[in-house]
Amino acid sequence: DAMVIQNPRYQVTQFGKPVTLSCSQTLNHNVMYWYQQKSSQAPKLLFHYYDKDFNNEADTPDNFQSRRPNTSFCFLDIRSPGLGDAAMYLCATSRYGPGTSGSVGEQYFGPGTRLTVT
Amino acid sequence: GQNIDQPTEMTATEGAIVQINCTYQTSGFNGLFWYQQHAGEAPTFLSYNVLDGLEEKGRFSSFLSRSKGYSYLLLKELQMKDSASYLCAVMDSNYQLIWGAGTKLIIKP
Repeated sequence: DAMVIQNPRYQVTQFGKPVTLSCSQTLNHNVMYWYQQKSSQAPKLLFHYYDKDFNNEADTPDNFQSRRPNTSFCFLDIRSPGLGDAAMYLCATSRYGPGTSGSVGEQYFGPGTRLTVT
Repeated sequence: GQNIDQPTEMTATEGAIVQINCTYQTSGFNGLFWYQQHAGEAPTFLSYNVLDGLEEKGRFSSFLSRSKGYSYLLLKELQMKDSASYLCAVMDSNYQLIWGAGTKLIIKP
């Protein structure tokens, strides 16, 4: 089945220790997104890629970086995690993305990675 | 600024009907989505409305009024498995999704 896969499902890291979360998709979608979601809050968009075109949200901290080496994979790097970065990190894909005139695509989400910072 | 408002929490009884409201103020409008999110899991797509009116899909229906900036999700014949958060999201003029914080729906036997 075509899907969005995130690894690991649960990640524990130490304060200040770099961590990388991964996402892969078999849907062949053009657009990939990274969201941060804290308990009882709306998902907060961190970045999105339209193909290889990287788009950073204005309020995404510099501590967060992303890479998309090919269509199928996308990585979220947190350079120096703080306690406030503990959250669920959701990867999503869509066939069409922001700025695509006349096209609207629903987003398909992976199961998420729950990050704990100790 | 852009804003999506939904009630924080609602309670309903198994077998009953519940309506979850969503009001929005966004820069432009390219459709409204409803997602279901069970605790600790990712959101899953329920519905998409871009024209005024009611869209029915099994036990779930979604309504949109663009002039009022208003939508609702109607759940019929509630089951215990419907206990989840329901997120309203609006696609703005830049085709960016603006998310509400979600409504936690608690179903009681």
